[in-house]
Amino acid sequence: DAGVIQSPRHEVTEMGQEVTLRCKPISGHDYLFWYRQTMMRGLELLIYFNNNVPIDDSGMPEDRFSAKMPNASFSTLKIQPSEPRDSAVYFCASSLARVGGFFGQGTRLTVV
Amino acid sequence: GDSVTQMEGPVTLSEEAFLTINCTYTATGYPSLFWYVQYPGEGLQLLLKATKADDKGSNKGFEATYRKETTSFHLEKGSVQVSDSAVYFCALSDHSGGGADGLTFGKGTHLIIQP
Repeated sequence: DAGVIQSPRHEVTEMGQEVTLRCKPISGHDYLFWYRQTMMRGLELLIYFNNNVPIDDSGMPEDRFSAKMPNASFSTLKIQPSEPRDSAVYFCASSLARVGGFFGQGTRLTVV
Repeated sequence: GDSVTQMEGPVTLSEEAFLTINCTYTATGYPSLFWYVQYPGEGLQLLLKATKADDKGSNKGFEATYRKETTSFHLEKGSVQVSDSAVYFCALSDHSGGGADGLTFGKGTHLIIQP
């Protein structure tokens, strides 16, 4: 298995634009997590899914952020409109249990 | 709420030195504890874990013991190599109810090993 695959690896966008981050979890995993990593706040859990259903989105910073998981092999994290303070590395992780997880390489987002 | 505190870096050591990275936690219940490692340009990889008090997790020469009495999970390695240079994250997951599932991470400790 190729592991958790995220795309794009790097994204630079202008403030106000819509940004979509993508994640393909490891086949057979039933949990999918989205994290955000910044220097100031470290790693934060944004949202997680179990069997494609969002279970807890209390970490999503505001309504500009949304996440979907239309099927077991694909998830998106969307920011609309994007702001400079959204600049961070966004990680997707998948697992067979509620804890731990295998992480993707991350998407480095820069909003200018 | 739950929190994880790690020693701040960077930590710079010579090859073959003994490594300790301190980690303490605060949790409402009985969490599982983890160490993750992030190599440059890569995602996080699970290094080791412990799920109950006095458990010792170990992998690739690293080890950490779940100490409930001191709420600690310090990472140790007897002889580090240049290839161990990375950022190390301590994390917990608390299943006792309340809060989100998933992991609560420390800020990370940047380890630099010099030849």
